[in-house]
Amino acid sequence: TQLLEQSPQFLSIQEGENLTVYCNSSSVFSSLQWYRQEPGEGPVLLVTVVTGGEVKKLKRLTFQFGDARKDSSLHITAAQPGDTGLYLCAGAGGDSNYQLIWGAGTKLIIKP
Amino acid sequence: NAGVTQTPKFRILKIGQSMTLQCAQDMNHNYMYWYRQDPGMGLKLIYYSVGAGITDKGEVPNGYNVSRSTTEDFPLRLELAAPSQTSVYFCASSPQMGGGGNTIYFGEGSWLTVV
Repeated sequence: TQLLEQSPQFLSIQEGENLTVYCNSSSVFSSLQWYRQEPGEGPVLLVTVVTGGEVKKLKRLTFQFGDARKDSSLHITAAQPGDTGLYLCAGAGGDSNYQLIWGAGTKLIIKP
Repeated sequence: NAGVTQTPKFRILKIGQSMTLQCAQDMNHNYMYWYRQDPGMGLKLIYYSVGAGITDKGEVPNGYNVSRSTTEDFPLRLELAAPSQTSVYFCASSPQMGGGGNTIYFGEGSWLTVV
């Protein structure tokens, strides 16, 4: 069974701090997506990474796909309360070509 | 900007009752999905559809049924509700299969409690 493990499961930090969350697997994926989900809403796509070693930046968020395409990280610089939410990673093109494999998410709280 | 619309938002069912979660999208997407999200468990795919008249099972289809008579609508039927079906249900759509360069668009979710 393919798994995407996200760590940490929960993170609470002060506004202005930096943080990194991780998405790891023993399987290779052709692409990996990061979504953010706010309370009472559905997930919203932040970014897709498709090339091993790829780095993408979205304002204060930096996403990296591992060289072997088995893992990814999300780094947030100078976190703000608006970054609060559940961050989900989802991998495509692994053993199951027709389904995304979802991680359980990292719940992030940024305190003002 | 409707996107993906789900109804109802909240529902309490008694064990053994049946109900249908409605889902409609106005983006003319071919692919539609039903997921359930349990606390700490991520998203599990229940059923998906690649176009009108075509549906297929996902990871956790037992206890559910779907139909896709039109491109826009993808209702999820729960037969004989059980407490294990207490969850948050998300309908979603995408122009092509999710992943790669394809964005999946989610509805706001339906909170279902079976008592």
